Amino acid sequence: GENVEQHPSTLSVQEGDSAVIKCTYSDSASNYFPWYKQELGKGPQLIIDIRSNVGEKKDQRIAVTLNKTAKHFSLHITETQPEDSAVYFCAASNHQGAQKLVFGQGTRLTINP
Amino acid sequence: EAQVTQNPRYLITVTGKKLTVTCSQNMNHEYMSWYRQDPGLGLRQIYYSMNVEVTDKGDVPEGYKVSRKEKRNFPLILESPSPNQTSLYFCASSLVTSGYWNEQFFGPGTRLTVL
Repeated sequence: GENVEQHPSTLSVQEGDSAVIKCTYSDSASNYFPWYKQELGKGPQLIIDIRSNVGEKKDQRIAVTLNKTAKHFSLHITETQPEDSAVYFCAASNHQGAQKLVFGQGTRLTINP
Repeated sequence: EAQVTQNPRYLITVTGKKLTVTCSQNMNHEYMSWYRQDPGLGLRQIYYSMNVEVTDKGDVPEGYKVSRKEKRNFPLILESPSPNQTSLYFCASSLVTSGYWNEQFFGPGTRLTVL
């Protein structure tokens, strides 16, 4: 089955700097890669996703890149702000019908003012 | 407001005492799922349901039961809880569209402690 590895487990950056979180997956058939943000005391919330037919997707300060050959994808946050502090999860899936997501281990991002 | 609700939000219980965690969504979603979140392990799927009366095992189903008698509700049942089921539990739901992924909406979580 699918296995997703996420790095780093913790990341601390200065406000205004960029943050990058990386994930690798094992199943070459995976074709959907969402990123979730989990704020303290809340459930995860989708912030961006990418499908295997594109290599990059951007939404304001957030971007995701996908390298299918290397089987890795990354989340990029530019001009970080204090409200970006949260735990971020990547996920992967190839089971569209079953809606089965396999999550990475999570990255705790801290933005220092 | 469109949302997924879970009850209770916090629960402390003892080994072997049956419990149920409820999950309800008001978005008319076909798909519902339960995950557990443990430090260093991310979220792992316990069970999921594609529609009423259709359920299937996820990656860590041992010790859990589910039912889907109504579209909006998907309760998680622990018949005989054990300390290794101490965890943070999330329910999620989404639409089902053939050949297309839809966003999963998560509930606020239930923190369960089994003594």
